[in-house]
Amino acid sequence: AQKVTQAQTEISVVEKEDVTLDCVYETRDTTYYLFWYKQPPSGELVFLIRRNSFDEQNEISGRYSWNFQKSTSSFNFTITASQVVDSAVYFCALSEGFKAAGNKLTFGGGTRVLVKP
Amino acid sequence: KAGVTQTPRYLIKTRGQQVTLSCSPISGHRSVSWYQQTPGQGLQFLFEYFSETQRNKGNFPGRFSGRQFSNSRSEMNVSTLELGDSALYLCASSLDSSGLGETQYFGPGTRLLVL
Repeated sequence: AQKVTQAQTEISVVEKEDVTLDCVYETRDTTYYLFWYKQPPSGELVFLIRRNSFDEQNEISGRYSWNFQKSTSSFNFTITASQVVDSAVYFCALSEGFKAAGNKLTFGGGTRVLVKP
Repeated sequence: KAGVTQTPRYLIKTRGQQVTLSCSPISGHRSVSWYQQTPGQGLQFLFEYFSETQRNKGNFPGRFSGRQFSNSRSEMNVSTLELGDSALYLCASSLDSSGLGETQYFGPGTRLLVL
């Protein structure tokens, strides 16, 4: 069965510091998809990135960057020069790549990021 | 394009009652999934609907059910409510061109409190 682990439950930083969120996953499938979502206090999950298991290229989008390493089953997320607006809970999620799985997401426990001014 | 909408946003019920939550997906999206979020269990998958058929189901009791209409709108129903059903219920939709690991876009959720 698939599993996603986010070992860090809460991270507190001062504005402009970098913060890295860890995500480790388990799956028996060779084809799978990884996601990161942000949940601000309003409660709505906001999509950040999707990666498939065949694409190990790291990605940078503005102040966000992602490091996908199949060898260690990790998909880590870094916020550079954090801002107060980055304060939220961040979730890593896995979707398996076979038809019966559909689009089901298995989520990690989330990491709460608090950015202090 | 409008996002996923969920109604109602807040709901208070008492034990033993039943409740129906509604979700309207993004226009053109054909897959709708439901998730339950609680402080203790986190985010858990309830079920997914595509073309009015349940495609996948999570590990929840039969009191939790859902359906999808021909316009892709979806409802979920919880019968005989228990205190532990208090949660944020999130609906998500995806385009479903491939049906595999597609990006899901979430609504604001319905916060249910069972007294």
